[in-house]
Amino acid sequence: GIQVEQSPPDLILQEGANSTLRCNFSDSVNNLQWFHQNPWGQLINLFYIPSGTKQNGRLSATTVATERYSLLYISSSQTTDSGVYFCAVNDMRFGAGTRLTVKP
Amino acid sequence: NAGVTQTPKFRILKIGQSMTLQCAQDMNHNYMYWYRQDPGMGLKLIYYSVGAGITDKGEVPNGYNVSRSTTEDFPLRLELAAPSQTSVYFCASKGQVGGADTQYFGPGTRLTVL
Repeated sequence: GIQVEQSPPDLILQEGANSTLRCNFSDSVNNLQWFHQNPWGQLINLFYIPSGTKQNGRLSATTVATERYSLLYISSSQTTDSGVYFCAVNDMRFGAGTRLTVKP
Repeated sequence: NAGVTQTPKFRILKIGQSMTLQCAQDMNHNYMYWYRQDPGMGLKLIYYSVGAGITDKGEVPNGYNVSRSTTEDFPLRLELAAPSQTSVYFCASKGQVGGADTQYFGPGTRLTVL
């Protein structure tokens, strides 16, 4: 089956810094989503992005389907951005996540 | 809308016991999913359904069963619970928002098998 790898596994930032999270996948995909799991365990969909670029406030995402990767950009990070970020492909496969800690 | 609801929130089972995890959604979504999340890991797909009466296996279906008699409900049955089934279980549904497929997750059920 398709493999999904996320990097880095852990990221610690000071409030206000920017960051880039990466998701590599091993085969072509029909859909790709980015999720945020907050410290209480709730999963929230951030983007549905099988290709192209989308922006939502301080967050944006880009998927280059031909090169089999997706990037999630977080600008001007806030402490509420802390948690784990997952990418998921075809609703079937999740990566292991990037744990983000934003310090005040 | 309540979104996706799951019951119970927590449960402790003894080895060999059985239980049903309940999941319901009020968004009229055809697609529904069950995942498990082990500590420090991503989610793994157990079963999914593309509509009432249709279910299919995911990556880790062994030890579980599902049914989908209505659009709203998608219960997950654990038979003969084992310690390896200790995990957090998430139910999700999928619908379109602004032309984009979007999954909505329930709050999860934390299950411990002792």
